[in-house]
Amino acid sequence: KNEVEQSPQNLTAQEGEFITINCSYSVGISALHWLQQHPGGGIVSLFMLSSGKKKHGRLIATINIQEKHSSLHITASHPRDSAVYICAVLPLMNYGGATNKLIFGTGTLLAVQP
Amino acid sequence: KAGVTQTPRYLIKTRGQQVTLSCSPISGHRSVSWYQQTPGQGLQFLFEYFSETQRNKGNFPGRFSGRQFSNSRSEMNVSTLELGDSALYLCASSWGFGTRGYYGYTFGSGTRLTVV
Repeated sequence: KNEVEQSPQNLTAQEGEFITINCSYSVGISALHWLQQHPGGGIVSLFMLSSGKKKHGRLIATINIQEKHSSLHITASHPRDSAVYICAVLPLMNYGGATNKLIFGTGTLLAVQP
Repeated sequence: KAGVTQTPRYLIKTRGQQVTLSCSPISGHRSVSWYQQTPGQGLQFLFEYFSETQRNKGNFPGRFSGRQFSNSRSEMNVSTLELGDSALYLCASSWGFGTRGYYGYTFGSGTRLTVV
């Protein structure tokens, strides 16, 4: 079982729809990233969360540390949102410290049709 | 403010050769991490450096090595290339790290390596 699970794996939406991508993890973490990767492109970090909720434009990310769950929401989706969205966690080291060693989910391929 | 710079962007090498990839972090960032992305395995952690010291290493063979210089620039080297090493290699930099997360964690655009 992967330490970071994302759902759904694939998502097709119509332009304007509200989209939710979910991420569940099984390890203790210091922070969680939501990343975006367009086809053939590099990776952009959308959010880094350690608690609560963050909003940037039409994107909203939430995290529930107790339930080990995070969601990424896209409001009023647009074709340019079509990309792979990846959840990645920064696990706590055994000694309670932190590491840069991200553990990645397998990604959610989002296609927004006009 | 310049981002994380990876060079070269694209690279084609022959099986058995060796390759060196470079990552220049954002000015002031002291931590550099390297990742490999392949269609089959997804994104996997390679190394993590902070102030010229390797803090963590992923589960990769000894053919994969890295280092960090005093100016925080980092290089990774792959010797005796195999076809399976074809991948997008990404680095990310941050100011540091703490028990509650990262500071300014930023990815580079990656180096796409093709081994033929």
